[in-house]
Amino acid sequence: DAGVTQSPTHLIKTRGQHVTLRCSPISGHKSVSWYQQVLGQGPQFIFQYYEKEERGRGNFPDRFSARQFPNYSSELNVNALLLGDSALYLCASSYKNSGSLYNEQFFGPGTRLTVL
Amino acid sequence: AQSVAQPEDQVNVAEGNPLTVKCTYSVSGNPYLFWYVQYPNRGLQFLLKYITGDNLVKGSYGFEAEFNKSQTSFHLKKPSALVSDSALYFCAVSPYGNNRLAFGKGNQVVVIP
Repeated sequence: DAGVTQSPTHLIKTRGQHVTLRCSPISGHKSVSWYQQVLGQGPQFIFQYYEKEERGRGNFPDRFSARQFPNYSSELNVNALLLGDSALYLCASSYKNSGSLYNEQFFGPGTRLTVL
Repeated sequence: AQSVAQPEDQVNVAEGNPLTVKCTYSVSGNPYLFWYVQYPNRGLQFLLKYITGDNLVKGSYGFEAEFNKSQTSFHLKKPSALVSDSALYFCAVSPYGNNRLAFGKGNQVVVIP
């Protein structure tokens, strides 16, 4: 079975631009979460979506938004890019959103965003 | 709010020796605890989890972790380290298993041949 896939692999943008990152979960998984991993740090939670609804949001500004589609794929959008947005953006999928013994999250390879 | 502390930046161990990577956590409610490993230019790979039950959890690639509620710790262990275990290891916690993982800063493990 295919794992979590993300596109693009790498992306270079300039300050002020907008970016859209995409994620396809493992088949059958209905929950998608997004994380930001700045170099040298652990991933930080940005969003969680389950059944196309936002179920959680981390401490990120409104420039960050996301959505989940009927096929459970997801997009992360970042507006007005700042230098500090340069990071590895990870998408993770799981079967359920909470309360399940099978709720470990499976991560994609990430999208490396560089903001110049 | 939940948090994880991984006190050591780097753990060096000789091949064949036991490997321990330390993790302590803080969370309100019952903790769901996880260990992930990250190889260069790769995403995170799930190693093991503690939800409930036996305090000793066995996971992938010969790794295990011991949950200690009184010390709020969840240390990762491997009896005999391999050079291929050299990677970045992350401990994570989520309250009630709500999938909002809080990660530690990670530990770089270097296994010396």
